[in-house]
Amino acid sequence: NAGVTQTPKFQVLKTGQSMTLQCAQDMNHNSMYWYRQDPGMGLRLIYYSASEGTTDKGEVPNGYNVSRLNKREFSLRLESAAPSQTSVYFCASSEMSQYFGPGTRLTVT
Amino acid sequence: QKEVEQDPGPLSVPEGAIVSLNCTYSNSAFQYFMWYRQYSRKGPELLMYTYSSGNKEDGRFTAQVDKSSKYISLFIRDSQPSDSATYLCAMRRESSGDKLTFGTGTRLAVRP
Repeated sequence: NAGVTQTPKFQVLKTGQSMTLQCAQDMNHNSMYWYRQDPGMGLRLIYYSASEGTTDKGEVPNGYNVSRLNKREFSLRLESAAPSQTSVYFCASSEMSQYFGPGTRLTVT
Repeated sequence: QKEVEQDPGPLSVPEGAIVSLNCTYSNSAFQYFMWYRQYSRKGPELLMYTYSSGNKEDGRFTAQVDKSSKYISLFIRDSQPSDSATYLCAMRRESSGDKLTFGTGTRLAVRP
């Protein structure tokens, strides 16, 4: 039982490049989330998916897209990365409480 | 004004001390309250989960909710260096599904 897994762990992008962050959970949870965490700002919700086939914007969705591929997987895509997207990204899934993955450290130069 | 306010610290205490971590909130609709612990360069992990007002104890940790004052606390007894981490409070409404509103976190250092 791995819980929530995220790939990659680290990534460096140049401005304008694209990439997809992958997230998978094996807890059979319906809801999944993507957050970014920046110093002094706490965790900010980017997008969430209440169930397979549905996605909704969170607090800071601009510059991101998501796909809920199936019940297990929820990916986050940066189409054209900007330095302001340098952050640590966490995926979570929930059943009453949220359970987090280990994070992806992204640097955009 | 943020919905959830949390002193960022850092808080530094000697080993064995009792630690008190706090959050205040403005929305009286919050019914479920959580504390997460986040070690450096790791994801947050759920530490305590409480519903409505009252206390909940788990080993050295006690979570307290005072809905009348819109104030929640986490107490750590006999603190250990391994408790050094950032502690985030989180809460949710009955109507918001599992979506959480987080505090910004308090960094705690326990000195040996």
